[in-house]
Amino acid sequence: SQQGEEDPQALSIQEGENATMNCSYKTSINNLQWYRQNSGRGLVHLILIRSNEREKHSGRLRVTLDTSKKSSSLLITASRAADTASYFCATDANDYKLSFGAGTTVTVRA
Amino acid sequence: DAGVTQSPTHLIKTRGQQVTLRCSPKSGHDTVSWYQQALGQGPQFIFQYYEEEERQRGNFPDRFSGHQFPNYSSELNVNALLLGDSALYLCASSPSSFHEQYFGPGTRLTVT
Repeated sequence: SQQGEEDPQALSIQEGENATMNCSYKTSINNLQWYRQNSGRGLVHLILIRSNEREKHSGRLRVTLDTSKKSSSLLITASRAADTASYFCATDANDYKLSFGAGTTVTVRA
Repeated sequence: DAGVTQSPTHLIKTRGQQVTLRCSPKSGHDTVSWYQQALGQGPQFIFQYYEEEERQRGNFPDRFSGHQFPNYSSELNVNALLLGDSALYLCASSPSSFHEQYFGPGTRLTVT
């Protein structure tokens, strides 16, 4: 079973627009992480936000975390064609494993 | 500095056969985790190895086993392959004191 659920399942945007995706989870966590996957290959770590943090930025990425609602969002600003990928949230409940959602597939149109 | 490497890249096996997948962690990392990713789904945790011992295990049958060597590299073995074992198998490494994991490119296993 998967801990996180991403929403929407798929997203299609124009280059230059912002992309927002959400993640909900079920249990208490130590931190929440976002990963990107291109064409079914390895995952690339994007950003980690700890349970005592509410917002974090990294370049064009902005992540928020609301532990009371057990939810997180990932915002990609000024999207580029290279941002086309699947994005996964993963929760770390301090039990030596990451629990992933099913992912959001983002397509950036030129 | 090489990242996480996995071999082979692709593999085709027949039902009932056995398979061994290999992973070399990123330099300086002593913890290796294995994940199974079926098509269209997120990765599912199989197990994690630390100090050559299985430290945590996900909801996978005993047909899935692993090993970690003194140089921290790891193997994933799957016995009595089923069609449902067809998936991308991902290896991830991390330093024991950190939670961020670095993933390899994966091994695509097809069971026919």
